[in-house]
Amino acid sequence: DAKTTQPPSMDCAEGRAANLPCNHSTISGNEYVYWYRQIHSQGPQYIIHGLKNNETNEMASLIITEDRKSSTLILPHATLRDTAVYYCIVREPLYRPNNDMRFGAGTRLTVKP
Amino acid sequence: EPEVTQTPSHQVTQMGQEVILRCVPISNHLYFYWYRQILGQKVEFLVSFYNNEISEKSEIFDDQFSVERPDGSNFTLKIRSTKLEDSAMYFCASSVGQMNTGELFFGEGSRLTVL
Repeated sequence: DAKTTQPPSMDCAEGRAANLPCNHSTISGNEYVYWYRQIHSQGPQYIIHGLKNNETNEMASLIITEDRKSSTLILPHATLRDTAVYYCIVREPLYRPNNDMRFGAGTRLTVKP
Repeated sequence: EPEVTQTPSHQVTQMGQEVILRCVPISNHLYFYWYRQILGQKVEFLVSFYNNEISEKSEIFDDQFSVERPDGSNFTLKIRSTKLEDSAMYFCASSVGQMNTGELFFGEGSRLTVL
C-alpha cells in the first residue's frame, strides 16, 4: 500500500546538486511530505518536511508541485557523506491509528568523486 | 544536541533466550517508537507508545514482544523467546508530542544476532 514512488537508485557528482524525485499522486489534503535518510546502517535521520509550500533548511530544499502529487528533495552541493538511502514519506502530522511513520525502499543515492 | 541513545549496540543471544533492548529518548519527548531492519531490507515499524500505553503496533509485534517505560527516562523492548528471524537492527525513536509536525528522532540502533 505504498503511498510514494521513488527511483531505486541515483548517482550524483560531488559538489553538484542532487535532485531526488518522489511521486505521491494519492496524497490527501492533510498529509505532509517527509524526507529522511539512512547512512549505511545508522538510524534514519530526519531531513525536512512540507505541506504545500517549498521549504529550505540547512540540509536541503523541498520543492512540492502545485498539485502536490510529486516533490523533489534537493541537496544543493552533494558531498561524499551524503551517500545514503533517502526516504520520502507522506502522512498526516496527527497521532492517530495507522498513521505512524512507515518507510518504503527509498532511493539509494551514491555521490561520486 | 539532544539525542536518542540505545544500549547495547550489539547483542548476541541463543535462540529461545529473552532479550531486552534499552532506549533513552530525548527528555521532553512524549511519543516513543521501535522499528527494526533486517539486513538488506527496509526499516519496519514495530510499535508506538504514548502515555504509558501502546498506541499502535504492526503485525510483526506479536505476543513475543513487549514494551515498557519503567521509569521517567528509559523505554525498553523485550523479546521473550528469540527466534533466528529476530536477528536485525532495532531502532528506537521519539518525537515531541501531539499536534506537532511529527518528525521522529532515531537512535543509532541495537544489533541483535540470534544464534
